[in-house]
Amino acid sequence: DAMVIQNPRYQVTQFGKPVTLSCSQTLNHNVMYWYQQKSSQAPKLLFHYYDKDFNNEADTPDNFQSRRPNTSFCFLDIRSPGLGDAAMYLCATSRDAGGTDTQYFGPGTRLTVL
Amino acid sequence: GQNIDQPTEMTATEGAIVQINCTYQTSGFNGLFWYQQHAGEAPTFLSYNVLDGLEEKGRFSSFLSRSKGYSYLLLKELQMKDSASYLCAVMDSNYQLIWGAGTKLIIKP
Repeated sequence: DAMVIQNPRYQVTQFGKPVTLSCSQTLNHNVMYWYQQKSSQAPKLLFHYYDKDFNNEADTPDNFQSRRPNTSFCFLDIRSPGLGDAAMYLCATSRDAGGTDTQYFGPGTRLTVL
Repeated sequence: GQNIDQPTEMTATEGAIVQINCTYQTSGFNGLFWYQQHAGEAPTFLSYNVLDGLEEKGRFSSFLSRSKGYSYLLLKELQMKDSASYLCAVMDSNYQLIWGAGTKLIIKP
């Protein structure tokens, strides 16, 4: 089945220790997104890629970086995690960036910062 | 600013019908999505409305009125597995999804 896969599902890191979250997709979608979602809050878009074009949200902290080495994979790097970065990180894809193109989500990675 | 409003929490009884409302104010409109999100899991797509009216899909229906900036998600014959958060999201003129904080639906036997 075509899908969006995130690894790991649960990640524990220490304050200030860099961490990388990964996402892969077998949907062959052009667009990939990274969201941060804290408990009982709306998902917050961090950045998205339209193919290889990187789009950073204005309020995404510099502590967050992303890489998309090819169509199928996308990585989220948190350079120096703080306690406030503990959250669920959701990867999503869409065929295109237009209005009718639904975003499909991976299962998420729950990040704990100790 | 852009804003999506939906109730924080609702309670309903198994077998009943519940309507979850969503109002929005966004810069342009390119469609409204409803997603279901179980606790600790990712959102899953339920419906998409871009024209006024009702879209029915099994036990779930979604309604849109663009002139009123209003949508609702109607869930019929509620089952315990419908206990989840329901997120309303609007795609604005820049094709960015603006998300509501979600409505936590609690189903009681």
